[in-house]
Amino acid sequence: KQEVTQIPAALSVPEGENLVLNCSFTDSAIYNLQWFRQDPGKGLTSLLLIQSSQREQTSGRLNASLDKSSGRSTLYIAASQPGDSATYLCAVRGGSGNTGKLIFGQGTTLQVKP
Amino acid sequence: DGGITQSPKYLFRKEGQNVTLSCEQNLNHDAMYWYRQDPGQGLRLIYYSQIVNDFQKGDIAEGYSVSREKKESFPLTVTSAQKNPTAFYLCASSIRQGVDMNTEAFFGQGTRLTVV
Repeated sequence: KQEVTQIPAALSVPEGENLVLNCSFTDSAIYNLQWFRQDPGKGLTSLLLIQSSQREQTSGRLNASLDKSSGRSTLYIAASQPGDSATYLCAVRGGSGNTGKLIFGQGTTLQVKP
Repeated sequence: DGGITQSPKYLFRKEGQNVTLSCEQNLNHDAMYWYRQDPGQGLRLIYYSQIVNDFQKGDIAEGYSVSREKKESFPLTVTSAQKNPTAFYLCASSIRQGVDMNTEAFFGQGTRLTVV
């Protein structure tokens, strides 16, 4: 059964710092991995989608990497800002017996202090 | 303006009552999903549908029911059999896997259900 883990559960950093959020998954036979942002009481906003054949994707100050063989992904946020404060979730699609499902990690809650 | 619309935003349910949460999308996506989110927990899959008139149970389907009569709509009914329904419910859609591997999922803004 595919399991997704995110470390750390919470992170607090001063404004301007570069930071890395981690996501690991147990079954490397994934189709893709997606990073989301969730603000309190809101839905999920898609940040980046990495297909299984890709190693990384970039959008503005965000860079996501994927190492399928080791079951790991990282989300790098450059020059963090208070507006980046939110919960970040990773989700994988695929894995043995898991076609069609999107399996989520527990999320990392980020606080960026001014 | 394409997207996923969930309604209502807030819903209150009395004990023993069935309630239905609406999810509509105009993205022309085949696949739709319902997730439940509890405080301090990740998203758990309730039901998903890859195509009209077909759906599968997720990890926590007990006490819930769905229908998929139209491509655009995937309503979720929380029945009286669901003993702890208070949660945040999220609906999502994507291109059906197998048609395109770039199956980016998009989410609605959620419905917060409270038992009173």
